[in-house]
Amino acid sequence: NAGVTQTPKFRILKIGQSMTLQCTQDMNHNYMYWYRQDPGMGLKLIYYSVGAGITDKGEVPNGYNVSRSTTEDFPLRLELAAPSQTSVYFCASSYEGRTNTGELFFGEGSRLTVL
Amino acid sequence: RKEVEQDPGPFNVPEGATVAFNCTYSNSASQSFFWYRQDCRKEPKLLMSVYSSGNEDGRFTAQLNRASQYISLLIRDSKLSDSATYLCVVNNRSGAGSYQLTFGKGTKLSVIP
Repeated sequence: NAGVTQTPKFRILKIGQSMTLQCTQDMNHNYMYWYRQDPGMGLKLIYYSVGAGITDKGEVPNGYNVSRSTTEDFPLRLELAAPSQTSVYFCASSYEGRTNTGELFFGEGSRLTVL
Repeated sequence: RKEVEQDPGPFNVPEGATVAFNCTYSNSASQSFFWYRQDCRKEPKLLMSVYSSGNEDGRFTAQLNRASQYISLLIRDSKLSDSATYLCVVNNRSGAGSYQLTFGKGTKLSVIP
Protein backbone atom coordinates (compact mmCIF):
# COMPACT_ATOMS: atom_id res chain seq x y z
CA ASN A 1 0.00 0.00 0.00
CA ALA A 2 1.65 3.20 -1.17
CA GLY A 3 -0.98 5.48 0.42
CA VAL A 4 -1.02 8.97 -1.12
CA THR A 5 1.68 9.66 -3.69
CA GLN A 6 2.50 13.15 -4.95
CA THR A 7 4.80 14.18 -7.75
CA PRO A 8 6.99 16.09 -8.20
CA LYS A 9 8.53 16.54 -4.75
CA PHE A 10 10.30 19.74 -5.79
CA ARG A 11 9.81 22.15 -8.65
CA ILE A 12 11.00 25.63 -9.61
CA LEU A 13 8.79 27.56 -11.98
CA LYS A 14 9.16 30.88 -13.72
CA ILE A 15 6.44 33.48 -13.40
CA GLY A 16 3.71 32.79 -15.93
CA GLN A 17 4.54 29.11 -16.45
CA SER A 18 1.95 26.42 -15.84
CA MET A 19 2.29 23.00 -14.29
CA THR A 20 0.33 20.12 -12.81
CA LEU A 21 0.94 18.54 -9.44
CA GLN A 22 -0.01 14.89 -9.57
CA CYS A 23 -1.70 13.03 -6.71
CA THR A 24 -2.80 9.43 -6.58
CA GLN A 25 -4.07 7.25 -3.74
CA ASP A 26 -4.52 3.51 -3.58
CA MET A 27 -6.78 3.31 -0.52
CA ASN A 28 -10.05 3.62 -2.45
CA HIS A 29 -10.86 6.82 -0.55
CA ASN A 30 -13.60 8.83 -2.15
CA TYR A 31 -12.65 12.18 -0.61
CA MET A 32 -9.49 13.93 -1.76
CA TYR A 33 -8.05 17.34 -0.92
CA TRP A 34 -5.36 19.79 -1.90
CA TYR A 35 -3.84 22.01 0.77
CA ARG A 36 -1.07 24.56 0.71
CA GLN A 37 1.15 25.38 3.66
CA ASP A 38 3.13 28.59 3.82
CA PRO A 39 5.93 29.01 6.41
CA GLY A 40 4.50 29.55 9.89
CA MET A 41 0.96 29.24 8.62
CA GLY A 42 -1.72 26.61 8.93
CA LEU A 43 -2.78 24.43 6.06
CA LYS A 44 -5.22 26.15 3.73
CA LEU A 45 -7.68 24.13 1.66
CA ILE A 46 -7.45 24.86 -2.06
CA TYR A 47 -9.90 22.37 -3.58
CA TYR A 48 -11.52 19.14 -2.56
CA SER A 49 -13.44 16.32 -4.19
CA VAL A 50 -16.09 14.03 -2.76
CA GLY A 51 -15.82 11.52 -5.59
CA ALA A 52 -15.00 11.02 -9.24
CA GLY A 53 -16.45 13.83 -11.33
CA ILE A 54 -17.17 16.11 -8.36
CA THR A 55 -14.93 18.93 -7.19
CA ASP A 56 -15.46 22.02 -5.07
CA LYS A 57 -13.55 25.10 -4.04
CA GLY A 58 -11.91 25.42 -0.67
CA GLU A 59 -10.64 28.51 1.09
CA VAL A 60 -7.97 29.62 -1.43
CA PRO A 61 -8.87 28.34 -4.93
CA ASN A 62 -7.77 31.33 -7.03
CA GLY A 63 -5.04 30.49 -9.51
CA TYR A 64 -5.68 26.74 -9.37
CA ASN A 65 -7.80 24.15 -11.08
CA VAL A 66 -8.51 20.51 -10.36
CA SER A 67 -10.15 17.53 -11.97
CA ARG A 68 -11.22 14.13 -10.67
CA SER A 69 -11.75 11.71 -13.50
CA THR A 70 -11.02 8.62 -11.39
CA THR A 71 -11.25 7.72 -7.71
CA GLU A 72 -7.48 7.37 -7.52
CA ASP A 73 -6.25 10.59 -9.11
CA PHE A 74 -6.69 14.24 -8.19
CA PRO A 75 -4.26 16.50 -10.08
CA LEU A 76 -3.85 20.18 -9.22
CA ARG A 77 -3.18 22.57 -12.09
CA LEU A 78 -1.42 25.90 -11.66
CA GLU A 79 -2.06 28.29 -14.50
CA LEU A 80 0.16 31.37 -14.92
CA ALA A 81 2.31 30.76 -11.87
CA ALA A 82 2.88 33.72 -9.54
CA PRO A 83 5.39 34.21 -6.69
CA SER A 84 2.45 34.09 -4.24
CA GLN A 85 2.02 30.44 -5.18
CA THR A 86 5.42 29.56 -3.73
CA SER A 87 4.43 27.07 -1.04
CA VAL A 88 4.38 23.44 0.02
CA TYR A 89 1.41 21.62 -1.44
CA PHE A 90 -0.11 18.60 0.25
CA CYS A 91 -2.58 16.21 -1.25
CA ALA A 92 -4.70 14.19 1.16
CA SER A 93 -7.47 11.64 1.13
CA SER A 94 -10.03 10.34 3.58
CA TYR A 95 -12.49 7.49 3.80
CA GLU A 96 -16.18 8.08 3.14
CA GLY A 97 -15.76 11.84 3.50
CA ARG A 98 -17.31 11.74 6.92
CA THR A 99 -14.26 13.37 8.37
CA ASN A 100 -15.66 13.15 11.85
CA THR A 101 -12.94 10.59 12.20
CA GLY A 102 -10.58 13.43 11.46
CA GLU A 103 -8.09 11.22 9.78
CA LEU A 104 -6.68 12.58 6.58
CA PHE A 105 -3.89 10.66 4.91
CA PHE A 106 -1.37 13.07 3.44
CA GLY A 107 1.16 12.74 0.69
CA GLU A 108 4.74 13.77 1.38
CA GLY A 109 4.24 17.21 -0.11
CA SER A 110 5.41 19.08 -3.18
CA ARG A 111 7.67 22.10 -2.67
CA LEU A 112 7.04 24.68 -5.36
CA THR A 113 9.06 27.84 -5.88
CA VAL A 114 7.97 30.49 -8.38
CA LEU A 115 10.69 32.93 -9.41
CA ARG B 1 -11.14 35.84 16.48
CA LYS B 2 -9.17 33.44 14.27
CA GLU B 3 -10.86 30.14 13.50
CA VAL B 4 -8.29 28.01 15.24
CA GLU B 5 -5.67 29.71 17.33
CA GLN B 6 -2.57 28.23 18.91
CA ASP B 7 0.49 29.55 20.69
CA PRO B 8 3.20 29.16 18.02
CA GLY B 9 5.94 28.52 20.55
CA PRO B 10 8.59 27.33 20.30
CA PHE B 11 8.40 25.36 23.51
CA ASN B 12 11.87 24.22 24.50
CA VAL B 13 11.67 21.63 27.27
CA PRO B 14 14.15 19.15 28.79
CA GLU B 15 13.67 15.42 28.39
CA GLY B 16 11.25 14.07 30.98
CA ALA B 17 9.35 17.32 31.34
CA THR B 18 5.60 17.70 31.08
CA VAL B 19 4.38 20.21 28.50
CA ALA B 20 0.90 21.43 27.65
CA PHE B 21 -0.39 23.04 24.47
CA ASN B 22 -3.56 25.03 24.21
CA CYS B 23 -5.86 25.80 21.34
CA THR B 24 -9.01 27.89 20.97
CA TYR B 25 -11.58 27.75 18.20
CA SER B 26 -14.15 30.30 17.10
CA ASN B 27 -17.02 28.21 15.70
CA SER B 28 -19.23 27.04 18.54
CA ALA B 29 -20.91 24.56 16.18
CA SER B 30 -17.67 22.71 15.50
CA GLN B 31 -18.27 19.00 15.43
CA SER B 32 -15.04 17.29 16.36
CA PHE B 33 -11.46 17.99 17.28
CA PHE B 34 -8.04 16.48 16.72
CA TRP B 35 -4.35 16.87 17.26
CA TYR B 36 -2.00 16.25 14.38
CA ARG B 37 1.76 16.00 14.52
CA GLN B 38 4.03 17.37 11.79
CA ASP B 39 7.73 16.62 11.78
CA CYS B 40 10.08 19.09 10.12
CA ARG B 41 9.62 19.07 6.33
CA LYS B 42 7.18 16.16 6.55
CA GLU B 43 3.46 15.71 6.10
CA PRO B 44 1.00 16.03 9.01
CA LYS B 45 -0.18 12.84 10.65
CA LEU B 46 -3.09 12.27 12.99
CA LEU B 47 -1.90 12.04 16.60
CA MET B 48 -5.21 11.64 18.40
CA SER B 49 -8.84 12.66 18.48
CA VAL B 50 -10.15 14.82 21.31
CA TYR B 51 -13.28 13.66 23.10
CA SER B 52 -15.51 15.66 25.41
CA SER B 53 -14.71 13.41 28.33
CA GLY B 54 -10.99 13.73 27.76
CA ASN B 55 -8.86 10.90 26.48
CA GLU B 56 -5.43 9.47 26.93
CA ASP B 57 -3.03 7.63 24.67
CA GLY B 58 0.08 6.62 26.54
CA ARG B 59 1.92 9.78 27.53
CA PHE B 60 -0.53 12.00 25.65
CA THR B 61 -3.73 13.40 27.14
CA ALA B 62 -6.24 15.49 25.21
CA GLN B 63 -8.99 17.61 26.76
CA LEU B 64 -11.92 19.51 25.29
CA ASN B 65 -13.94 22.28 26.91
CA ARG B 66 -16.86 23.08 24.59
CA ALA B 67 -18.17 25.88 26.79
CA SER B 68 -14.86 27.75 26.56
CA GLN B 69 -14.13 26.51 23.02
CA TYR B 70 -10.76 25.32 24.21
CA ILE B 71 -8.69 22.21 23.47
CA SER B 72 -5.51 21.07 25.14
CA LEU B 73 -2.79 18.48 24.67
CA LEU B 74 -0.60 17.33 27.55
CA ILE B 75 2.60 15.39 26.95
CA ARG B 76 4.15 13.71 29.97
CA ASP B 77 7.73 12.46 30.26
CA SER B 78 8.80 14.19 27.04
CA LYS B 79 11.11 12.27 24.70
CA LEU B 80 13.51 13.65 22.13
CA SER B 81 11.32 12.00 19.50
CA ASP B 82 8.38 14.19 20.56
CA SER B 83 10.10 17.18 18.93
CA ALA B 84 7.70 18.29 16.20
CA THR B 85 4.99 20.81 15.45
CA TYR B 86 1.59 19.98 16.93
CA LEU B 87 -1.43 21.10 14.95
CA CYS B 88 -4.82 21.70 16.49
CA VAL B 89 -7.55 20.71 14.03
CA VAL B 90 -11.27 21.43 14.14
CA ASN B 91 -13.91 19.73 12.03
CA ASN B 92 -16.86 21.81 10.82
CA ARG B 93 -19.81 20.78 8.75
CA SER B 94 -19.94 22.73 5.48
CA GLY B 95 -23.06 23.96 3.73
CA ALA B 96 -22.83 21.10 1.27
CA GLY B 97 -23.17 18.60 4.09
CA SER B 98 -19.58 17.46 4.00
CA TYR B 99 -17.04 18.06 6.71
CA GLN B 100 -14.00 20.27 6.43
CA LEU B 101 -11.02 20.38 8.68
CA THR B 102 -9.56 23.70 9.77
CA PHE B 103 -5.93 23.56 10.87
CA GLY B 104 -4.25 25.81 13.40
CA LYS B 105 -0.80 27.16 12.59
CA GLY B 106 0.78 24.73 15.00
CA THR B 107 2.90 24.83 18.14
CA LYS B 108 6.53 23.88 17.79
CA LEU B 109 8.03 21.66 20.48
CA SER B 110 11.74 21.03 20.91
CA VAL B 111 12.74 18.48 23.54
CA ILE B 112 16.31 19.07 24.67
CA PRO B 113 18.66 16.36 26.01
